[in-house]
Amino acid sequence: ETGVTQSPTHLIKTRGQQVTLRCSSQSGHNTVSWYQQALGQGPQFIFQYYREEENGRGNFPPRFSGLQFPNYSSELNVNALELDDSALYLCASTGSSGGENEQFFGPGTRLTVL
Amino acid sequence: EDQVTQSPEALRLQEGESSSLNCSYTVSGLRGLFWYRQDPGKGPEFLFTLYSAGEEKEKERLKATLTKKESFLHITAPKPEDSATYLCAVLVSGTYKYIFGTGTRLKVLA
Repeated sequence: ETGVTQSPTHLIKTRGQQVTLRCSSQSGHNTVSWYQQALGQGPQFIFQYYREEENGRGNFPPRFSGLQFPNYSSELNVNALELDDSALYLCASTGSSGGENEQFFGPGTRLTVL
Repeated sequence: EDQVTQSPEALRLQEGESSSLNCSYTVSGLRGLFWYRQDPGKGPEFLFTLYSAGEEKEKERLKATLTKKESFLHITAPKPEDSATYLCAVLVSGTYKYIFGTGTRLKVLA
């Protein structure tokens, strides 16, 4: 069974640029959630995708957007990067959109905005 | 407002010294409460899910319990390899939104 994978592991961007982060869900999982984790904080829910549709969103502006593909992999896109976007971005997959199942997290992408 | 608070922020224990971590929550409705372990620079690792008050789950030296207002993660006779940040999260009823606490950083000294 393949776990959740994310790419790249690290990324450095400058303010105003755009970034795309990628996530492959665990085998058999059709639901993917994205989180932002600032240093010393808990993960903050960005949004969730189920069968290629966004079905839940946290308090993040529209410049945070995503996609889910037919193979259930997912992308997180962030436009017009700000310094405060520097964080660890985590992807998590679950077996269904019901939500009660446990989430399995990837190793994260460390984004630094200069 | 839905909220999750964990205490203490940090905890230092001697090897073998048992203790408990607290997760208190205020939500409109609880679909599930989750405990995770996170090592530095890595993604959270799932430990337990609890669904209703009175429920308990155990795994090795860890035991999680749930009441209507809080959850406890009990660590019995911890070892240095138990050192990590322990995160609590709730899934709010009627949403797909998971709310995490800020975590408890546990250090177990040999």
